[in-house]
Amino acid sequence: NAGVTQTPKFQVLKTGQSMTLQCAQDMNHEYMSWYRQDPGMGLRLIHYSVGAGITDQGEVPNGYNVSRSTTEDFPLRLLSAAPSQTSVYFCASSRGSNQPQHFGDGTRLSIL
Amino acid sequence: QKEVEQDPGPLSVPEGAIVSLNCTYSNSAFQYFMWYRQYSRKGPELLMYTYSSGNKEDGRFTAQVDKSSKYISLFIRDSQPSDSATYLCAIPPNAGNMLTFGGGTRLMVKP
Repeated sequence: NAGVTQTPKFQVLKTGQSMTLQCAQDMNHEYMSWYRQDPGMGLRLIHYSVGAGITDQGEVPNGYNVSRSTTEDFPLRLLSAAPSQTSVYFCASSRGSNQPQHFGDGTRLSIL
Repeated sequence: QKEVEQDPGPLSVPEGAIVSLNCTYSNSAFQYFMWYRQYSRKGPELLMYTYSSGNKEDGRFTAQVDKSSKYISLFIRDSQPSDSATYLCAIPPNAGNMLTFGGGTRLMVKP
């Protein structure tokens, strides 16, 4: 039972580089979301999707892009990495916006 | 004012103690609340889901909602070292958005 799978688990980037964080779920959930978690800041919503082809911004969307071409996958793209994007990134899925979220184990990203 | 606030801790207790974790929220219209537990280097996992006011019990865990005070609590009885984790409360989304999480309280239960 895989649940929500995130890759990679760790990544170090240089300022200005781009990369894609991958997220896949096998529970046929319509809702998927990306959060970042920073010390003292809790979980902050970056982007979310309510179904294939539909995405929207959360609390801290700047510097990130998303797309949702399939129900299973919801990649997060950093276009030009900045040190302020050093964080732990969590992907989650759920049956609805008010339903319990199932989280992956996160990607730890450092931007030098 | 943040929509939901938690004391970040850390909260350190001896094994066997009763633990009380709390959140305050700002919107009196909220009808349900969740508690998540997050172990180090892991994603959060759902612990309790409560609706409206009152108590909900699950084993050693009790979730309590006081809507008049806009206050939610999680009690852990007979705390164990394995309960050492960060506990996050979550409140319903605004229309079209997702759950909003508190900042989390780090709990350490010492043997």
